[in-house]
Amino acid sequence: DAKTTQPPSMDCAEGRAANLPCNHSTISGNEYVYWYRQIHSQGPQYIIHGLKNNETNEMASLIITEDRKSSTLILPHATLRDTAVYYCIVSPLAGGTSYGKLTFGQGTILTVHP
Amino acid sequence: DVKVTQSSRYLVKRTGEKVFLECVQDMDHENMFWYRQDPGLGLRLIYFSYDVKMKEKGDIPEGYSVSREKKERFSLILESASTNQTSMYLCASSLRGREAFFGQGTRLTVV
Repeated sequence: DAKTTQPPSMDCAEGRAANLPCNHSTISGNEYVYWYRQIHSQGPQYIIHGLKNNETNEMASLIITEDRKSSTLILPHATLRDTAVYYCIVSPLAGGTSYGKLTFGQGTILTVHP
Repeated sequence: DVKVTQSSRYLVKRTGEKVFLECVQDMDHENMFWYRQDPGLGLRLIYFSYDVKMKEKGDIPEGYSVSREKKERFSLILESASTNQTSMYLCASSLRGREAFFGQGTRLTVV
């Protein structure tokens, strides 16, 4: 699986947009970009994923560059409850030989402050 | 909502004991996974299963085994617990081609 690079930590003011970057310069054509987050003492939670088009759901937006070598997760109006470790992962969709295995890096610790 | 339930939130076991960590999911998912999470090392995949009675080694299978006799249940077994297996253990499940859902985790301490 391709590797990702994320900043170790970021801060964001409550109510503002949080923009979390991720570099994945060695991503393969069949690999998707996934974002998960882990709030302290809980299991990781799926946020969003995409292949090459921008995606939006009720939690966040995902912007993938045209060359697919980087992406940005956007939390449009961050709240204190969004304080968590955010993981960017590249992986083929489950199927074939991958079965949806996820390789987690160190992630970005996002701290939302009042 | 999908629910992945791990049998214990906290567990303390003695060195040499046989330990069973149980995971149950209620959404008929084909895939199930066991990860462990340690400070500075992140989440690492121990074993996964893509069907009943099927299993594959992950990145760190040594010292562990698994059992999947029913689709909804995936057990992680520590045959002889050691102190270096003190960790947070996380179970996950997914439909083929879909995102994974995680349990709350079991914090295992081996003394």
